[in-house]
Amino acid sequence: NAGVTQTPKFQVLKTGQSMTLQCAQDMNHEYMSWYRQDPGMGLRLIHYSVGAGITDQGEVPNGYNVSRSTTEDFPLRLLSAAPSQTSVYFCASSYGANVLTFGAGSRLTVL
Amino acid sequence: DAKTTQPTSMDCAEGRAANLPCNHSTISGNEYVYWYRQIHSQGPQYIIHGLKNNETNEMASLIITEDRKSSTLILPHATLRDTAVYYCIVHPQGGSEKLVFGKGMKLTVNP
Repeated sequence: NAGVTQTPKFQVLKTGQSMTLQCAQDMNHEYMSWYRQDPGMGLRLIHYSVGAGITDQGEVPNGYNVSRSTTEDFPLRLLSAAPSQTSVYFCASSYGANVLTFGAGSRLTVL
Repeated sequence: DAKTTQPTSMDCAEGRAANLPCNHSTISGNEYVYWYRQIHSQGPQYIIHGLKNNETNEMASLIITEDRKSSTLILPHATLRDTAVYYCIVHPQGGSEKLVFGKGMKLTVNP
């Protein structure tokens, strides 16, 4: 099992550019989440999904869009990147709403 | 509005037991205590969780006080690989897609 796979691992953007962080899981997990982590901070929840076609906002949703068209995939879109979105992004999934399995992270720098 | 309180950091000697405290004095009756850890730059990893009984698995033991207002995560024989940030989280079972992580506690295992 690959678990939770995030791509890309590293990305550099210019202010105003758009991009999508990909997240895929092969464990048939219903629940998926996106977190961001800034230096010296804990993880902050951006968006989450309890199943295909259902998404909701977390603590810090502004500037990000998500969709969940399949159980396996939960992409995170930045429509117009800002320097404040420089961070490490983690995707996670869980089954039965208990234990989260995290991906390895995507490190994004916005210049 | 923090629901758990952990020390900022602690040290432990390799081979010794590491006892990581967590206060959660406002825990509700339906809330579990979860522990995760994050080794430098990696995604967080689930360790253990419990409601009121003590729990043990291959990674650690969780001791929850009778009044459930505090708990201790025990790593019985700490190794250098256990150096990480440890997060204590209280949350109802279910809804793990919305787990809120605080800043956690940095455990450093020294040789």
